[in-house]
Amino acid sequence: QSVLTQPASVSGSPGQSITISCTGTSSDVGGYNYVSWYQQHPGKAPKLMIYDVSYRPSGVSDRFSGSKSGNTASLTISGLQAEDEADYYCNSYTSYNTYVFGTGTKVTVL
Amino acid sequence: QVQLVQSGAEVKEPGASVKVSCKASGYTFSVYAVHWVRQAPGQWLEWMGWIDAGNGNTQYSQNFQDRVTITRDTSASTAYMELSSLRSEDTAVYYCARNPPGTRPFDNWGQGSLVTVSS
Repeated sequence: QSVLTQPASVSGSPGQSITISCTGTSSDVGGYNYVSWYQQHPGKAPKLMIYDVSYRPSGVSDRFSGSKSGNTASLTISGLQAEDEADYYCNSYTSYNTYVFGTGTKVTVL
Repeated sequence: QVQLVQSGAEVKEPGASVKVSCKASGYTFSVYAVHWVRQAPGQWLEWMGWIDAGNGNTQYSQNFQDRVTITRDTSASTAYMELSSLRSEDTAVYYCARNPPGTRPFDNWGQGSLVTVSS
């Protein structure tokens, strides 16, 4: 099973907004509104940031938002802060009743 | 609060099997699914499979179809992931994660278990 494609790295200055893309196919991202995003700091377990394309779990900052168009989902971080520096992974449910992760994006706060 | 506590680090020789446990607390174990995800050093997350903790139904990634077995013991609120025919490429941190019913995200994760495959 293939992996979802993300940019290797994205950077921005404090206060700026950045967007991370996640490209799949009509069998995963494009076929279902079951895209989620995870934040992972070094040596730590991933943390759920966005689910079902655009919903935030309780406790997650509203600076994080998600969207989807066709086979590409996006995560936007607005008002970038130093603590946002981490790896971010998208995930999608697939037509095979399985799940697939993205290749991951390293976010650097300049 | 919800907790998923995994077993400790393991070192295995090539060709051996490893069984990692994931003990749940703070919620009704049988109502949720448990997924297993691994991360090789410096690599991205890789989904391995999941089990419906209520009825025991499983689904595996094609990448591990013949080598992985996920089980659960509802009396112990514990899920297990066994990977066989280990090779050096299986060296990774293995995570369990909870999936609420009727939804798709992984909302709580275990701390991870490092499995090292080396002769």
